[in-house]
Amino acid sequence: EVQLLQSGGVVIQPGESLRLSCAASGFTFNADTTHWVRQAPGKGLEWVSLITADGSFSDYADSVKGRFTISRDNSKSSVYLQMNSLRSEDTALYYCAKGPPSYSYYMDVWGNGTRVTVSS
Amino acid sequence: DIVLTQSPGTLSLSPGDRATLSCRASQSVNNNYLAWYQQKPGQAPRLLISGASRRATGIPDRFSGSGSGADFTLTISRLEPEDFAVYYCQQYGSSLVTFGPGTKVEIK
Repeated sequence: EVQLLQSGGVVIQPGESLRLSCAASGFTFNADTTHWVRQAPGKGLEWVSLITADGSFSDYADSVKGRFTISRDNSKSSVYLQMNSLRSEDTALYYCAKGPPSYSYYMDVWGNGTRVTVSS
Repeated sequence: DIVLTQSPGTLSLSPGDRATLSCRASQSVNNNYLAWYQQKPGQAPRLLISGASRRATGIPDRFSGSGSGADFTLTISRLEPEDFAVYYCQQYGSSLVTFGPGTKVEIK
């Protein structure tokens, strides 16, 4: 079964850092672009970042550029999101999602999400 | 960045009705790289359509996508009870991926 398993939720203070992880199983992880997408409480979907299958290219939404860093370890079938200088507006459910085995940046499998709450 | 606008914001329909959801882009979407997702409360989104009109694996044929350029449509031919949900469009014509704000399809 194709799965994306995400780390548990956390409450963190503004200005602090956090690393999210997402572990893949059931498919060839090193063939697929991987994304992070977030959803603030009661709001819509916001794309955050992507990294290509070989890790050679990544990109970020303007709202997180310079604060968040995406990475992957294909030997562990995992993708990570390092989140620095967190703000209250980063509070959201963070999904990891994978794309198809090509450079098409849609998402065909989603994890269940990690809830991040930034609050003092 | 390409901004996506979805209309209507809410669609109130009955089971068996036809649903027509619109997604308009602020500029032409490269290669019609437009996807649609369904999200139910408490669940992750599910891919319905990619490439504007290609149904994902396992998606019933009552769901269809159409359109090109900057104007796209998701049609649900006959609403089933499980189709009441929020639907998002997403463009992936550039690496700066963007989502629309969503259309909620609710039971009338």
